[in-house]
Amino acid sequence: DSGVTQTPKHLITATGQRVTLRCSPRSGDLSVYWYQQSLDQGLQFLIQYYNGEERAKGNILERFSAQQFPDLHSELNLSSLELGDSALYFCASSVGRESYGYTFGSGTRLTVV
Amino acid sequence: GENVEQHPSTLSVQEGDSAVIKCTYSDSASNYFPWYKQELGKRPQLIIDIRSNVGEKKDQRIAVTLNKTAKHFSLHITETQPEDSAVYFCAASRRGSSASKIIFGSGTRLSIRP
Repeated sequence: DSGVTQTPKHLITATGQRVTLRCSPRSGDLSVYWYQQSLDQGLQFLIQYYNGEERAKGNILERFSAQQFPDLHSELNLSSLELGDSALYFCASSVGRESYGYTFGSGTRLTVV
Repeated sequence: GENVEQHPSTLSVQEGDSAVIKCTYSDSASNYFPWYKQELGKRPQLIIDIRSNVGEKKDQRIAVTLNKTAKHFSLHITETQPEDSAVYFCAASRRGSSASKIIFGSGTRLSIRP
């Protein structure tokens, strides 16, 4: 167990729907990062939060949004889902603002049918 | 924008032989270079990292080298074993700035032949 908790582990939903993925960082970590990994693809950076504030943004679609709450857990909201959104979504956390050796969660596998 | 290129995309080596994976980065301000190993269906796990003030780092059978001038860095695995089979990702980041996200290479699928 890495200490980074992601729920749910698996999610199957229909096109056009909206889902929320949840991430609890390791105890003491203030930064949360979200990555998307499509089948046999690399890790695409989506967004970073540090202590509740957005710090960096990658190629995140406008249909996607995220936030980090006062208790430091983070949620990634995906709306108007398309078949191409099917992927593994990883959350990672680190202690500070700086990405010094992330710890990844086990991921949420999203399947859009 | 920042980019990390990784080669080869697939690599098959005989058990006991060495494996080398190479990466180049575009952001000259990058100063932290981690390597992650991802087994099938699992989360990426940090296996070794190197900072820009160091040219080489070794941990048992794994070593990383960094050439800042050429913006190249490499992972070397010696005496490969079946459990080394996985996808390996190189990455680069600009630690110490507000733009500190880690940018990953596209991955190398390493297969160890018995």
